[in-house]
Amino acid sequence: SQELEQSPQSLIVQEGKNLTINCTSSKTLYGLYWYKQKYGEGLIFLMMLQKGGEEKSHEKITAKLDEKKQQSSLHITASQPSHAGIYLCGADNEKLTFGTGTRLTIIP
Amino acid sequence: GAVVSQHPSRVICKSGTSVKIECRSLDFQATTMFWYRQFPKQSLMLMATSNEGSKATYEQGVEKDKFLINHASLTLSTLTVTSAHPEDSSFYICSARDVGTGGIAFFGQGTRLTVV
Repeated sequence: SQELEQSPQSLIVQEGKNLTINCTSSKTLYGLYWYKQKYGEGLIFLMMLQKGGEEKSHEKITAKLDEKKQQSSLHITASQPSHAGIYLCGADNEKLTFGTGTRLTIIP
Repeated sequence: GAVVSQHPSRVICKSGTSVKIECRSLDFQATTMFWYRQFPKQSLMLMATSNEGSKATYEQGVEKDKFLINHASLTLSTLTVTSAHPEDSSFYICSARDVGTGGIAFFGQGTRLTVV
């Protein structure tokens, strides 16, 4: 079965600083999703990556998928309080399964 | 992005009763919907994948007689927790795959179920 590991599990970052979250798959990914979740709420879609070496950006968030399609990173530039939440990477191989999640806290 | 509506957002029920949770894709047709369960401070655990007009595919360890899933139309899937017990208390989330956007899965707001 697909196993996804995220690191770090939690992250505390000062506002304005950059940060990176990593996601590693035990198998080659057909598609890789990044979502954000506020506790007790649904998931907000951020980005989907499908091609090896692909990189996408939206506002201050950039996601990359490596050439082998087994590792992805999510980078946030100049973090803001609104970036706080739980970030989840999801593997799409017909069914959508999720990594362990990274809890991001932004401190002033 | 596309909108997925999940209802109810919170429900409290008595032990032994059944609870139905609805998941609707409001502005797109979803041939595939997923149901997840989330425990406190943990990630999402896939319970089952439902395809419109066919039986749901349950993940290992998920009781299909306990968690009944119906996907009768392209915009509606339901999860019924039968004979609920306190250990079924959890946060349940659905998602619907939008073929029109390349298969992106959009999520409902989640349902917090408390069984007393």
